[in-house]
Amino acid sequence: TQLLEQSPQFLSIQEGENLTVYCNSSSVFSSLQWYRQEPGEGPVLLVTVVTGGEVKKLKRLTFQFGDARKDSSLHITAAQPGDTGLYLCAGEKGSTLGRLYFGRGTQLTVWP
Amino acid sequence: EAGVTQFPSHSVIEKGQTVTLRCDPISGHDNLYWYRRVMGKEIKFLLHFVKESKQDESGMPNNRFLAERTGGTYSTLKVQPAELEDSGVYFCASSQWDRGKETQYFGPGTRLLVL
Repeated sequence: TQLLEQSPQFLSIQEGENLTVYCNSSSVFSSLQWYRQEPGEGPVLLVTVVTGGEVKKLKRLTFQFGDARKDSSLHITAAQPGDTGLYLCAGEKGSTLGRLYFGRGTQLTVWP
Repeated sequence: EAGVTQFPSHSVIEKGQTVTLRCDPISGHDNLYWYRRVMGKEIKFLLHFVKESKQDESGMPNNRFLAERTGGTYSTLKVQPAELEDSGVYFCASSQWDRGKETQYFGPGTRLLVL
């Protein structure tokens, strides 16, 4: 059973468009992380959110943790071709510290 | 500073053979994790070492998988005998706790294909 449902699975947009990726669960997480993965490499951490309702910004990327700490979203404003990649959400539960539960990922392609 | 390294990058073996994957964590990192991504599925946790001790091995699929971390440095993950469903990408990650927080740094993965 998959703990984190990530959507959409694929996203293909034009440069300059905005997009949102969602990560949902029925479980509560102590923290939620967003990673980006390039072909042939491992996931690289973008951000960690730990407080319900928390919003973090990283240049054109905005990350939000749901109030109940069961869901999260990643919003990209004015997407660039350099944003192309696989975006993964991963949650950590307090009962199994360190162990990450991943979503399946969103493959984003931004066309010039 | 060198990141997490994994060897080999690719491995193609036949069903029934043995394969050993190696992970070298970032120097000084006490935590070492193994994860696996099977095609079409999410990345799944296999196990967690703290130094040389297995902190959590609840994600190991079955007793054909054996992980070791002798001396608390590098780790090996042995699959014996390999089955078709063991194919996938095996990731290693390492981290160090710092004031209650940790960031897991992932290696590039080993792509295992069992024929």
